[in-house]
This record gives sequence, structure tokens and C-alpha cells, in this order.
Amino acid sequence: ETGVTQTPRHLVMGMTNKKSLKCEQHLGHNAMYWYKQSAKKPLELMFVYSLEERVENNSVPSRFSPECPNSSHLFLHLHTLQPEDSALYLCASSQATYSLASSYNEQFFGPGTRLTVL
Amino acid sequence: ELKVEQNPLFLSMQEGKNYTIYCNYSTTSDRLYWYRQDPGKSLESLFVLLSNGAVKQEGRLMASLDTKARLSTLHITAAVHDLSATYFCAVDSPLRTSYGKLTFGQGTILTVHP
Repeated sequence: ETGVTQTPRHLVMGMTNKKSLKCEQHLGHNAMYWYKQSAKKPLELMFVYSLEERVENNSVPSRFSPECPNSSHLFLHLHTLQPEDSALYLCASSQATYSLASSYNEQFFGPGTRLTVL
Repeated sequence: ELKVEQNPLFLSMQEGKNYTIYCNYSTTSDRLYWYRQDPGKSLESLFVLLSNGAVKQEGRLMASLDTKARLSTLHITAAVHDLSATYFCAVDSPLRTSYGKLTFGQGTILTVHP
């Protein structure tokens, strides 16, 4: 496997179910991200983990619970979701790159999990 | 709060024509990224722009950054059908951290037709 992989690719769940999304990066990066992409909104950053520590949580409801057990794996645990949570959930990873003039964190994305909440 | 606006949101082009997509952002930043997304696929990194006046070119696409105007452009030259996709710009927080904190534009849906 190369790059960033996500499983499952498609998920249909009821509002009372509990499920988990998995992301794995094979790039040796030290930061991982969860994004939500829904039809009528720009891509939204949900969580950021840097060196396995959560560093950003963008006012995401508690029914979404991230977990980062090591630098290569990221999970998003889902419970009691709402129909408006139906979206494409994208995982990304990055490694800080430094030069004399600047630093940057180019993010590489996985294929996404298409989630439908009934 | 950083805001990023792209225009146009929809672009229908004839093959062989030129056009420009604009990305405006609201607060100071010198790190901007362009991504491409094909239907049902993930985001593919196109360009990383890191300083005022930065210009990058790949094939028929050229991206530039003007940090003073808080504006980036993605110029398409002699469009071909294969360029049909959604294009996003994303601006990183001005804070220097070991991770990125990107704010994305709404995306421009580009359709190239004969």
C-alpha cells in the first residue's frame, strides 16, 4: 500500500449505530487530519493530530471521536449520528518541510469514506 | 477567522481556450496550495506556493501568489477535456507550526467541452 488509505470506502449506518473509520498513511508523516466534505459547504477541517497528540478540534460535535494510536493510524469513531452528518470524510497526512525562507505542510489525502446516515 | 473565496464557482470552457480561476483570502498568509478533485475521487496536490510572487507551472496550468493582494490565480492555457475537475485553493494559517491548518475555498467546478 502506498500513500494514504481509508476504510471502508462506503458506509451506511443508522442513527443509533456505532462505527469507526480508519485511516493509514504509508508516507512517514508526523501529522494526520480528518476533514468533512459535504455537498453544500467547503471542505471543513475537523481534527488534527501532530506527533500523535490532538492539536486542533474545530468545534466538532462529541458524536465524532478521533483516536490516533500511532503516527501511521488515525480513527474516527462515530456514534448516534444525524442525517446531516452524511458526507465524504477525508483523511490526510503531512510532514513539516523547512527551508531557509519558509516552512510548509503539504497535505496528502486519502480516497475518503462516503458516509450515509439514515 | 481566515476566509477563502474562489471565483468563479462554475466554469464551462471550450477546448483550446484560456481562463483564470481566482482565490482571495482574508488574512495574511504566505502559504497557499492548489488541489484538484475528480468526481468520486480524493484531492490531488497540484501546487505549493510559498512566497509573494511565487509562480509554478505544470503543463497547461500555472499558479501564482500575490500575498500583498491576498490573491492567488490558477491560469489554464489551451484547455483540454482532461482538465475537467473541481479545483480548490487552500490557505494555511500564518502561524508557524509543525502541522498545517488549511482553510479551503468553495471549489471551482471546471468543465471543458469540445
